[in-house]
Amino acid sequence: DGGITQSPKYLFRKEGQNVTLSCEQNLNHDAMYWYRQDPGQGLRLIYYSQIVNDFQKGDIAEGYSVSREKKESFPLTVTSAQKNPTAFYLCASSISLSNQPQHFGDGTRLSIL
Amino acid sequence: DQQVKQNSPSLSVQEGRISILNCDYTNSMFDYFLWYKKYPAEGPTFLISISSIKDKNEDGRFTVFLNKSAKHLSLHIVPSQPGDSAVYFCAALSGGYNKLIFGAGTRLAVHP
Repeated sequence: DGGITQSPKYLFRKEGQNVTLSCEQNLNHDAMYWYRQDPGQGLRLIYYSQIVNDFQKGDIAEGYSVSREKKESFPLTVTSAQKNPTAFYLCASSISLSNQPQHFGDGTRLSIL
Repeated sequence: DQQVKQNSPSLSVQEGRISILNCDYTNSMFDYFLWYKKYPAEGPTFLISISSIKDKNEDGRFTVFLNKSAKHLSLHIVPSQPGDSAVYFCAALSGGYNKLIFGAGTRLAVHP
Protein backbone atom coordinates (compact mmCIF):
# COMPACT_ATOMS: atom_id res chain seq x y z
CA ASP A 1 0.00 0.00 0.00
CA GLY A 2 1.46 3.35 -1.05
CA GLY A 3 1.51 6.24 1.35
CA ILE A 4 3.36 8.62 3.63
CA THR A 5 4.64 7.50 7.00
CA GLN A 6 5.48 9.93 9.75
CA SER A 7 7.11 8.79 12.94
CA PRO A 8 6.78 9.02 15.81
CA LYS A 9 3.15 10.06 16.29
CA TYR A 10 3.96 11.81 19.58
CA LEU A 11 7.31 13.33 20.49
CA PHE A 12 8.51 15.12 23.58
CA ARG A 13 11.53 17.36 23.72
CA LYS A 14 13.36 19.11 26.47
CA GLU A 15 14.08 22.76 25.99
CA GLY A 16 17.40 23.36 24.27
CA GLN A 17 17.41 20.05 22.41
CA ASN A 18 17.18 19.45 18.70
CA VAL A 19 14.74 16.79 17.53
CA THR A 20 14.22 15.16 14.13
CA LEU A 21 10.86 14.15 12.71
CA SER A 22 10.81 11.38 10.15
CA CYS A 23 8.84 11.37 6.89
CA GLU A 24 8.99 8.54 4.36
CA GLN A 25 6.93 8.08 1.20
CA ASN A 26 6.69 5.17 -1.22
CA LEU A 27 4.56 6.99 -3.79
CA ASN A 28 7.55 7.78 -6.01
CA HIS A 29 6.73 11.48 -5.67
CA ASP A 30 9.36 14.07 -6.49
CA ALA A 31 8.00 16.88 -4.31
CA MET A 32 7.79 16.78 -0.52
CA TYR A 33 6.65 19.33 2.05
CA TRP A 34 6.59 20.06 5.76
CA TYR A 35 3.75 21.99 7.36
CA ARG A 36 2.98 23.11 10.85
CA GLN A 37 -0.54 23.32 12.24
CA ASP A 38 -1.43 25.33 15.35
CA PRO A 39 -4.88 25.38 16.98
CA GLY A 40 -7.39 27.45 15.02
CA GLN A 41 -4.99 28.02 12.17
CA GLY A 42 -4.45 26.60 8.75
CA LEU A 43 -1.37 24.71 7.68
CA ARG A 44 1.74 26.83 7.30
CA LEU A 45 4.58 25.75 5.04
CA ILE A 46 7.97 25.25 6.70
CA TYR A 47 10.11 23.78 3.91
CA TYR A 48 9.56 22.07 0.60
CA SER A 49 11.65 20.06 -1.82
CA GLN A 50 10.96 19.59 -5.50
CA ILE A 51 13.63 16.98 -6.09
CA VAL A 52 16.43 15.07 -4.38
CA ASN A 53 19.22 17.27 -3.00
CA ASP A 54 17.09 20.39 -3.36
CA PHE A 55 14.94 22.18 -0.83
CA GLN A 56 13.53 25.65 -0.34
CA LYS A 57 12.34 27.66 2.64
CA GLY A 58 8.63 28.06 3.11
CA ASP A 59 6.87 30.79 5.04
CA ILE A 60 8.07 29.86 8.55
CA ALA A 61 11.48 28.21 8.10
CA GLU A 62 13.27 29.90 11.01
CA GLY A 63 14.40 27.39 13.63
CA TYR A 64 13.96 24.41 11.30
CA SER A 65 16.23 22.48 8.94
CA VAL A 66 15.68 19.70 6.42
CA SER A 67 17.59 17.37 4.14
CA ARG A 68 16.62 15.46 1.02
CA GLU A 69 19.30 12.86 0.40
CA LYS A 70 16.86 10.24 -0.88
CA LYS A 71 13.72 10.61 -2.95
CA GLU A 72 11.57 8.82 -0.41
CA SER A 73 12.80 10.61 2.72
CA PHE A 74 12.46 14.21 3.92
CA PRO A 75 13.35 14.53 7.62
CA LEU A 76 12.67 17.74 9.51
CA THR A 77 14.87 18.90 12.40
CA VAL A 78 13.35 21.25 14.94
CA THR A 79 16.29 23.09 16.41
CA SER A 80 16.65 24.80 19.77
CA ALA A 81 16.39 28.10 17.87
CA GLN A 82 12.69 27.46 17.24
CA LYS A 83 11.06 29.55 19.97
CA ASN A 84 7.64 27.90 19.95
CA PRO A 85 8.05 24.34 18.68
CA THR A 86 4.94 22.80 20.26
CA ALA A 87 2.65 22.02 17.33
CA PHE A 88 1.28 19.35 15.03
CA TYR A 89 3.69 18.71 12.15
CA LEU A 90 2.49 17.33 8.83
CA CYS A 91 4.53 15.95 5.96
CA ALA A 92 3.13 15.79 2.44
CA SER A 93 4.19 14.78 -1.05
CA SER A 94 3.00 15.32 -4.61
CA ILE A 95 4.05 14.04 -8.02
CA SER A 96 5.73 17.38 -8.62
CA LEU A 97 5.40 20.96 -7.38
CA SER A 98 2.96 21.78 -10.16
CA ASN A 99 1.16 18.43 -10.14
CA GLN A 100 -1.22 18.42 -7.20
CA PRO A 101 -2.86 17.27 -5.00
CA GLN A 102 -0.54 16.82 -2.08
CA HIS A 103 -1.00 13.67 -0.03
CA PHE A 104 -0.42 13.91 3.70
CA GLY A 105 0.93 11.70 6.43
CA ASP A 106 -0.86 11.37 9.77
CA GLY A 107 1.37 13.89 11.50
CA THR A 108 3.65 14.13 14.54
CA ARG A 109 2.61 16.05 17.61
CA LEU A 110 5.64 17.65 19.25
CA SER A 111 5.49 18.84 22.84
CA ILE A 112 8.09 20.61 24.96
CA LEU A 113 8.72 19.27 28.45
CA ASP B 1 -1.98 38.74 5.41
CA GLN B 2 -4.40 35.85 4.94
CA GLN B 3 -4.72 35.12 1.26
CA VAL B 4 -7.23 32.32 1.79
CA LYS B 5 -10.00 32.85 4.31
CA GLN B 6 -12.60 30.53 5.74
CA ASN B 7 -14.69 32.92 7.78
CA SER B 8 -16.88 30.32 9.47
CA PRO B 9 -14.92 28.38 12.08
CA SER B 10 -17.77 25.92 12.54
CA LEU B 11 -20.95 24.68 10.92
CA SER B 12 -23.66 22.37 12.24
CA VAL B 13 -25.97 20.52 9.84
CA GLN B 14 -28.63 17.88 10.20
CA GLU B 15 -28.02 14.49 8.61
CA GLY B 16 -29.47 14.32 5.10
CA ARG B 17 -29.42 18.08 4.54
CA ILE B 18 -26.93 20.09 2.50
CA SER B 19 -23.65 21.35 3.98
CA ILE B 20 -22.16 24.45 2.38
CA LEU B 21 -18.62 25.43 3.29
CA ASN B 22 -17.28 28.73 2.02
CA CYS B 23 -13.85 30.04 1.16
CA ASP B 24 -12.68 33.46 -0.06
CA TYR B 25 -9.33 34.38 -1.54
CA THR B 26 -7.57 37.62 -2.31
CA ASN B 27 -4.85 36.70 -4.81
CA SER B 28 -6.14 36.81 -8.38
CA MET B 29 -3.10 34.73 -9.46
CA PHE B 30 -4.51 31.63 -7.80
CA ASP B 31 -5.57 29.21 -10.53
CA TYR B 32 -6.17 25.91 -8.77
CA PHE B 33 -8.19 25.22 -5.64
CA LEU B 34 -8.48 22.17 -3.43
CA TRP B 35 -10.58 21.00 -0.51
CA TYR B 36 -9.17 18.73 2.16
CA LYS B 37 -10.95 16.92 4.98
CA LYS B 38 -9.22 16.29 8.28
CA TYR B 39 -10.13 14.09 11.23
CA PRO B 40 -8.49 14.70 14.65
CA ALA B 41 -4.93 13.39 14.98
CA GLU B 42 -4.80 12.46 11.29
CA GLY B 43 -3.41 14.13 8.20
CA PRO B 44 -5.69 15.95 5.77
CA THR B 45 -7.23 13.86 3.00
CA PHE B 46 -7.71 15.31 -0.45
CA LEU B 47 -11.40 15.63 -1.32
CA ILE B 48 -11.94 17.53 -4.54
CA SER B 49 -10.32 20.24 -6.64
CA ILE B 50 -11.18 22.76 -9.31
CA SER B 51 -9.18 24.62 -11.91
CA SER B 52 -9.83 28.29 -12.57
CA ILE B 53 -10.98 27.47 -16.11
CA LYS B 54 -14.06 25.77 -14.63
CA ASP B 55 -16.81 27.03 -12.38
CA LYS B 56 -18.04 23.68 -11.09
CA ASN B 57 -16.65 20.24 -10.36
CA GLU B 58 -18.64 17.34 -9.01
CA ASP B 59 -17.61 14.06 -7.40
CA GLY B 60 -20.40 12.00 -5.90
CA ARG B 61 -21.90 13.87 -2.95
CA PHE B 62 -19.30 16.62 -3.20
CA THR B 63 -19.49 19.62 -5.53
CA VAL B 64 -17.16 22.60 -5.61
CA PHE B 65 -18.26 25.90 -7.13
CA LEU B 66 -15.87 28.66 -8.15
CA ASN B 67 -16.85 32.30 -8.65
CA LYS B 68 -13.73 34.00 -9.97
CA SER B 69 -15.20 37.48 -10.13
CA ALA B 70 -16.09 37.28 -6.44
CA LYS B 71 -12.92 35.35 -5.57
CA HIS B 72 -15.10 32.85 -3.77
CA LEU B 73 -15.46 29.10 -3.76
CA SER B 74 -17.75 26.79 -1.92
CA LEU B 75 -18.00 23.08 -1.18
CA HIS B 76 -21.45 21.49 -1.16
CA ILE B 77 -22.04 18.14 0.46
CA VAL B 78 -25.38 16.52 -0.35
CA PRO B 79 -26.72 14.63 1.50
CA SER B 80 -24.63 15.20 4.61
CA GLN B 81 -23.74 12.15 6.67
CA PRO B 82 -22.40 11.83 10.25
CA GLY B 83 -19.11 10.52 8.83
CA ASP B 84 -18.64 13.88 7.13
CA SER B 85 -18.04 15.48 10.52
CA ALA B 86 -14.48 16.78 10.31
CA VAL B 87 -12.49 19.94 9.69
CA TYR B 88 -12.50 21.08 6.06
CA PHE B 89 -9.61 23.11 4.67
CA CYS B 90 -9.71 25.14 1.51
CA ALA B 91 -6.36 25.59 -0.28
CA ALA B 92 -5.21 27.58 -3.29
CA LEU B 93 -2.27 27.34 -5.67
CA SER B 94 -0.88 29.69 -8.25
CA GLY B 95 1.06 28.31 -11.18
CA GLY B 96 4.03 30.55 -10.59
CA TYR B 97 4.06 30.22 -6.82
CA ASN B 98 4.19 26.42 -6.48
CA LYS B 99 2.95 26.47 -2.88
CA LEU B 100 -0.43 25.62 -1.47
CA ILE B 101 -1.95 28.34 0.71
CA PHE B 102 -4.41 26.98 3.26
CA GLY B 103 -7.37 28.57 4.97
CA ALA B 104 -7.85 28.17 8.72
CA GLY B 105 -10.48 25.46 8.31
CA THR B 106 -14.18 25.01 9.09
CA ARG B 107 -15.32 22.37 11.56
CA LEU B 108 -18.40 20.59 10.23
CA ALA B 109 -20.66 18.68 12.60
CA VAL B 110 -23.38 16.54 11.06
CA HIS B 111 -25.90 15.44 13.64
CA PRO B 112 -28.71 12.87 13.35
